[in-house]
Amino acid sequence: GNSVTQMEGPVTLSEEAFLTINCTYTATGYPSLFWYVQYPGEGLQLLLKATKADDKGSNKGFEATYRKETTSFHLEKGSVQVSDSAVYFCALKESGSSNTGKLIFGQGTTLQVKP
Amino acid sequence: GAGVSQSPSNKVTEKGKDVELRCDPISGHTALYWYRQSLGQGLEFLIYFQGNSAPDKSGLPSDRFSAERTGGSVSTLTIQRTQQEDSAVYLCASSNPQGAPGNTIYFGEGSWLTVV
Repeated sequence: GNSVTQMEGPVTLSEEAFLTINCTYTATGYPSLFWYVQYPGEGLQLLLKATKADDKGSNKGFEATYRKETTSFHLEKGSVQVSDSAVYFCALKESGSSNTGKLIFGQGTTLQVKP
Repeated sequence: GAGVSQSPSNKVTEKGKDVELRCDPISGHTALYWYRQSLGQGLEFLIYFQGNSAPDKSGLPSDRFSAERTGGSVSTLTIQRTQQEDSAVYLCASSNPQGAPGNTIYFGEGSWLTVV
C-alpha cells in the first residue's frame, strides 16, 4: 500500500544552520505531496505542497521539490530560526481510480533549534 | 464556518464508558478525515468520508470505533467501552473538491481524550 517514510528525529540545530528533513514515499498513481507543521500546543498547519513531478513547493523560507525518479520530497531551509522548532510531517494524498484520495502521513520529525 | 471545528476540545472519561467526538467541517467541503495522534506518535489514519461514497474505514483499530457523517456535513466519531490506550488527540480534517490534486486539507484543533 501507499506509505510515507521520514527521517527519525529529533533533529537539533543551531540557529542559522541549514535544515534538511528527508521524506520518501511509496505510491501508485500520481499522488500530491505535502509538508505539515505542528508548533508546540497548536494544531496541524499546511506548510507547503506540490502536485506533480518537479514541482517545488515553498513557504516561509522552506522548500521541497517533488522528485518522482527518487520518490522523494525532502524539506529544506537555508537558515533556521528558534521559531521553526516544531514537528514536521510529510504526507501524500492518493490519486487515481484505485485509491480513495485519503491523506497518508509519515511519522513526523521533531526539529529543535537552539539559539 | 471559518475553519474545521471540533468538540469537545478536552474530554476525560472513565474506562469502559462510551464517548462521542464531533467534527464540523468547513462549509462545502465534501471530504472529511479522522486521524488519531497518540503522545509522541505520528498521525494514524482512522476513517475517510467523501461525498456520498462508502467511507474508507480501513484505519479503524477495532469494532469499538465507529463514525458517521450526517447529511454530508457534520461527523461524529464514537468510541465504545473506552480503554486507556484510546487516550490520544483525535484530529478531524476536511477538503474540497476531493478530485482535484493537491487541494489543501484543513485540520481542526483536535479533541484531547483521556481515559482514566
